[in-house]
Amino acid sequence: NAGVMQNPRHLVRRRGQEARLRCSPMKGHSHVYWYRQLPEEGLKFMVYLQKENIIDESGMPKERFSAEFPKEGPSILRIQQVVRGDSAAYFCASSPPRSYTDTQYFGPGTRLTVL
Amino acid sequence: AQTVTQSQPEMSVQEAETVTLSCTYDTSESDYYLFWYKQPPSRQMILVIRQEAYKQQNATENRFSVNFQKAAKSFSLKISDSQLGDAAMYFCAYREWETSGSRLTFGEGTQLTVNP
Repeated sequence: NAGVMQNPRHLVRRRGQEARLRCSPMKGHSHVYWYRQLPEEGLKFMVYLQKENIIDESGMPKERFSAEFPKEGPSILRIQQVVRGDSAAYFCASSPPRSYTDTQYFGPGTRLTVL
Repeated sequence: AQTVTQSQPEMSVQEAETVTLSCTYDTSESDYYLFWYKQPPSRQMILVIRQEAYKQQNATENRFSVNFQKAAKSFSLKISDSQLGDAAMYFCAYREWETSGSRLTFGEGTQLTVNP
């Protein structure tokens, strides 16, 4: 009964490189959310996806950031040409279908450090 | 837009005593959910308790209970018989009532220290 899985747990990139963060939701969950936590701050919503669909990306920066949740495989958050300000913890959460009654369950997060 | 405010950046409590963490929120909706999440040093986000706005009864989970005041838009967390393992950052969160899922809006957090 595995929970939400994220990998890698820690990722170090140099400025200008690409970062790919992966999230495997809990079994039976088809809704995925990505949140970002900057140092000493609370979590901020980025994007909400269902299988093969982006439902709400209003929290995503307009440039360099993209997310997908393919029919098969994990959800991917991709950051192109990373900058120091992208250094943060990125959390994925999942919930089941018909999730208006359901809680979001979080993964352990990926800590991205940009040198 | 909904906002969540936690006015206590830090709190401390003696082991075995009771502490209350404050949270206020702003919304024009009548139906919604409220949550408290705990983030220990491992940084894992752990659900502590949740409250549906339509329920008048305050939620309780073992040593954790809430005081939900809908008219005042207040949602405080009470931890009874505090334990060392309760030391963590605590986040209050709001979620709209929607049929197909909705984002969580978090407060800035309260760092709780438990003194032995």
